[in-house]
Amino acid sequence: LAKTTQPISMDSYEGQEVNITCSHNNIATNDYITWYQQFPSQGPRFIIQGYKTKVTNEVASLFIPADRKSSTLSLPRVSLSDTAVYYCLVGSPGGSYIPTFGRGTSLIVHP
Amino acid sequence: GAVVSQHPSWVICKSGTSVKIECRSLDFQATTMFWYRQFPKQSLMLMATSNEGSKATYEQGVEKDKFLINHASLTLSTLTVTSAHPEDSSFYICSAPDSRTGYGYTFGSGTRLTVV
Repeated sequence: LAKTTQPISMDSYEGQEVNITCSHNNIATNDYITWYQQFPSQGPRFIIQGYKTKVTNEVASLFIPADRKSSTLSLPRVSLSDTAVYYCLVGSPGGSYIPTFGRGTSLIVHP
Repeated sequence: GAVVSQHPSWVICKSGTSVKIECRSLDFQATTMFWYRQFPKQSLMLMATSNEGSKATYEQGVEKDKFLINHASLTLSTLTVTSAHPEDSSFYICSAPDSRTGYGYTFGSGTRLTVV
């Protein structure tokens, strides 16, 4: 099971781009990288998932270098409502994989 | 997308009583359900994995007689905290694999349990 390492916390201001990097040095060939967002007293919410290169959706982008040993979640123009904890998970969806959470990154967006 | 409905969203109970938390998959079949516990300012910790029609698998250190898990159908899994104590107060979250989208997993909204 690939272990992930993220910064414990980050601060930003409204309108800025935020990049959160996750290290996963022992990622397996079949593993995908998935990011979740969690607000206080709510369950995690899927943000984005990728395998390699770059993935973009309506809320974020995910950059994955060729060696796949890390990944960067990019949040464009954050707002106060983006204040949350962000978790990076690595594994093969389905099968016997069990989503295991690390400590996550607590992002605080300031006015 | 796939939705897991979790109820109740919060519950307060007296010490020694039991509390049942339900998670229903609304638009897909959940053959597996993961149950997590989250203490304040901490990450989600896996408690157990339930599979429809079979016994749940508990993580090390989780008392199976205290945290009863039932997964009697493809759309319903329940967690019962028996003889609750104040130290059981926590945020409980369920999650199910969503094979339809390929995104992996969808999570319930969580249940805040307070034992007084």
